[in-house]
Order: sequence, then structure tokens, then C-alpha cells
Amino acid sequence: DAKTTQPTSMDCAEGRAANLPCNHSTISGNEYVYWYRQIHSQGPQYIIHGLKNNETNEMASLIITEDRKSSTLILPHATLRDTAVYYCIVRELNFNKFYFGSGTKLNVKP
Amino acid sequence: DAGITQSPRHKVTETGTPVTLRCHQTENHRYMYWYRQDPGHGLRLIHYSYGVKDTDKGEVSDGYSVSRSKTEDFLLTLESATSSQTSVYFCAIMSRENGEQYFGPGTRLTVT
Repeated sequence: DAKTTQPTSMDCAEGRAANLPCNHSTISGNEYVYWYRQIHSQGPQYIIHGLKNNETNEMASLIITEDRKSSTLILPHATLRDTAVYYCIVRELNFNKFYFGSGTKLNVKP
Repeated sequence: DAGITQSPRHKVTETGTPVTLRCHQTENHRYMYWYRQDPGHGLRLIHYSYGVKDTDKGEVSDGYSVSRSKTEDFLLTLESATSSQTSVYFCAIMSRENGEQYFGPGTRLTVT
């Protein structure tokens, strides 16, 4: 069961921040939020994950609302190579199945 | 790259024939997964394995079987291929520590 809702597609200008929203209103206390992306026909690539605190790594930042019902993935300076489908996934720590849903197609334009 | 390969990378087969896809890892991870990807559906989980000889069904397991006789190999078998199984198949392994999944390059299967 896909427990998340994402927009089908979004556009972003090159060099600007890309903010990708995800709604997970039924998330429970022990479920993590994961983000992956899939560039063209390659296998998906892990980006970041978090439980309730905001997280940042070399690829992106993850902002989770205080009630944990939604989150935003931020790519601070989008490049053309960031054009991809971005998947937001909710997963219980000890539950080892992942449900990807359809994701958001991010188009980064020059 | 996480040391995960899939074979074959491309295959065309006829309806009713058996097909086996292989996923091989060099990372010694316990968890391995098979997904299929079709236009408009994202990735859907077929089966996964949580150890040698330990497997479980995903959301689209009908028509597929799997086997895991050793840690490094996870096989997906279509006993009698149908046209509806034409798809791109991805294998993944998971790092138990943080739940990161690493994906293989995919196998494009066409059933005619």
C-alpha cells in the first residue's frame, strides 16, 4: 500500500531550489520517510531519510513537519542532471517491504 | 556502485516459456528484492528475501516464484511467461543498518 501522495510532475529552473512535497498523513510514530530518485531508465538511487528531525546530506535536505504528516525534499541548486522521478516512501523500521508509488517527475529547465 | 548485477540485461521470449532472471550481489547483504516497473505504475514489489531460503510475497507476486539458495544470488522465475509480464525488472539489496536500498541496472523482458 502506497502510504504517500505526491504531485505527478513539477518544473524547476536550473540553479534554483527544487522543493518536492510529499503527504503522508497516516504515518505512524515508528515509520521513517525515505526519498529515492530514478534517472531515466536506471535503477532508483537512495537520497535521504528521516524520522522526525530535519536531515541534510550532500545531495539534499529533508524537512519533516512537526506533526509528521508531510515532508519536503529540497535540492538546493537544481541542475539539469537532477531531472528524474522522485519517490517518497514511508517505511516502518522493522518492516522490510518498500512501496514506491508513482513519484513526482521533476523537470529541471535551463 | 553497490556490487549488484542482473542477468540477462535484455531478453525476448515467447508466451508459455519459462524464464529465470538472476540477481547477484557481492555485498553480503541479507535482504534482496525483486521489483517490476511498468509505465504509469512506478516500481511494484514482486518478492523479497530476508535470508537464505527465506522469502516473502510482495504486492504483485502472482505468476512469479523466487529462490535464494545462497546469500549472493536471488533468482526470479516466471514459470510460464505471459505478455502481461513484459516489463523492466529491478533487483535491489538493502543495508539493514539504515534501510538504504541499492538497485541493479535492470532487466528488460519482452514476452511475445
